[in-house]
Amino acid sequence: KAGVTQTPRYLIKTRGQQVTLSCSPISGHRSVSWYQQTPGQGLQFLFEYFSETQRNKGNFPGRFSGRQFSNSRSEMNVSTLELGDSALYLCASSLARIEETQYFGPGTRLLVL
Amino acid sequence: GQQVMQIPQYQHVQEGEDFTTYCNSSTTLSNIQWYKQRPGGHPVFLIQLVKSGEVKKQKRLTFQFGEAKKNSSLHITATQTTDVGTYFCAGIPQGAQKLVFGQGTRLTINP
Repeated sequence: KAGVTQTPRYLIKTRGQQVTLSCSPISGHRSVSWYQQTPGQGLQFLFEYFSETQRNKGNFPGRFSGRQFSNSRSEMNVSTLELGDSALYLCASSLARIEETQYFGPGTRLLVL
Repeated sequence: GQQVMQIPQYQHVQEGEDFTTYCNSSTTLSNIQWYKQRPGGHPVFLIQLVKSGEVKKQKRLTFQFGEAKKNSSLHITATQTTDVGTYFCAGIPQGAQKLVFGQGTRLTINP
């Protein structure tokens, strides 16, 4: 069974731009969560999607948004990029609930200049 | 807010020595999960503990969940160079529906 895939793997943007990251969960997994990982803040929960609905949300500004499609693939968007948004963005999928094992993708490394 | 604290932040050991990382929550956790992230990699699930006082073993790794379900530990016996990485605990505070990660403990090993 293929693992979680994320595209692109690396991205360089400038302040003020916007970016869209994509995540394809493991086949059959319906819950997709997004995390931001930085050296200073560790792994921070962004949001979780299930059946095309945002089920849970972390403490991030409205510039961070996401969506999930009917095939469970998910995208996250960050608008008006700031230098502090530079991070590794990880997507994780599970069968149906966030309490279950989270299978992480390789991440998208975003650098904002 | 709901926090999961993990200590130590860094640990350097000689190969063959033991290693322990501790995880403490300000609130009761419905479960605790442990992940390992190798340098340059992504977190990989190790184990989940659900019951109060639960102890689970995976070869040289021993995981414990405290009686009050507010703390947990991971102990590695006789470390090997393959154990290098950052170990994260993650829990779901009761009443919340999100996984809160500890800051992680970065383990380095001198061969």
